[in-house]
Amino acid sequence: GQQVMQIPQYQHVQEGEDFTTYCNSSTTLSNIQWYKQRPGGHPVFLIQLVKSGEVKKQKRLTFQFGEAKKNSSLHITATQTTDVGTYFCAGGFGNEKLTFGTGTRLTIIP
Amino acid sequence: NAGVTQTPKFQVLKTGQSMTLQCAQDMNHEYMSWYRQDPGMGLRLIHYSVGAGITDQGEVPNGYNVSRSTTEDFPLRLLSAAPSQTSVYFCASSPGVLAGSEETQYFGPGTRLLVL
Repeated sequence: GQQVMQIPQYQHVQEGEDFTTYCNSSTTLSNIQWYKQRPGGHPVFLIQLVKSGEVKKQKRLTFQFGEAKKNSSLHITATQTTDVGTYFCAGGFGNEKLTFGTGTRLTIIP
Repeated sequence: NAGVTQTPKFQVLKTGQSMTLQCAQDMNHEYMSWYRQDPGMGLRLIHYSVGAGITDQGEVPNGYNVSRSTTEDFPLRLLSAAPSQTSVYFCASSPGVLAGSEETQYFGPGTRLLVL
């Protein structure tokens, strides 16, 4: 099936530490999207990656798409309290559907 | 420009009741979808539509119906509610979700449904 695994499920970091979440698929992805969901809120689109080996940056956030297009990561440098939330990846398999990972819930210890 | 709107925000149903969750978007997006979100399971696709008059099943379609008579509206109907359908439901819209140019998918605020 078209599954996307995401780890870790939870991550607690001290403010100022870095954070990384990983997504993996057993089959090649055509594209991968990343979302952030604040507690009690709705998912908000962050970025889409399409090309093999692609790296994109948004301020302190770095997104990578693996060379084989089967894995992706989101790295946050020097976390801030505003980074709290759950981060989801969503993989596309060339059809009209996105498959979401189970998410990584980030909490920040001030 | 209201984006994606969903009604109601909250709903309590009894087992066996039916109801319709409303979703509307004013961005002229062709692609619309419904997800349900349960703790520890991420978002699972229920149904989606690539344009007016076209709908298809997602990962967990059983117990739900959809229709797309206009570009703007994509209602989700629960035929006979069951406790297993207790969840948070999100509607989303996008120009498309295939690989290509940056295609932002916008989510509505969600409907929290409790089935007793």
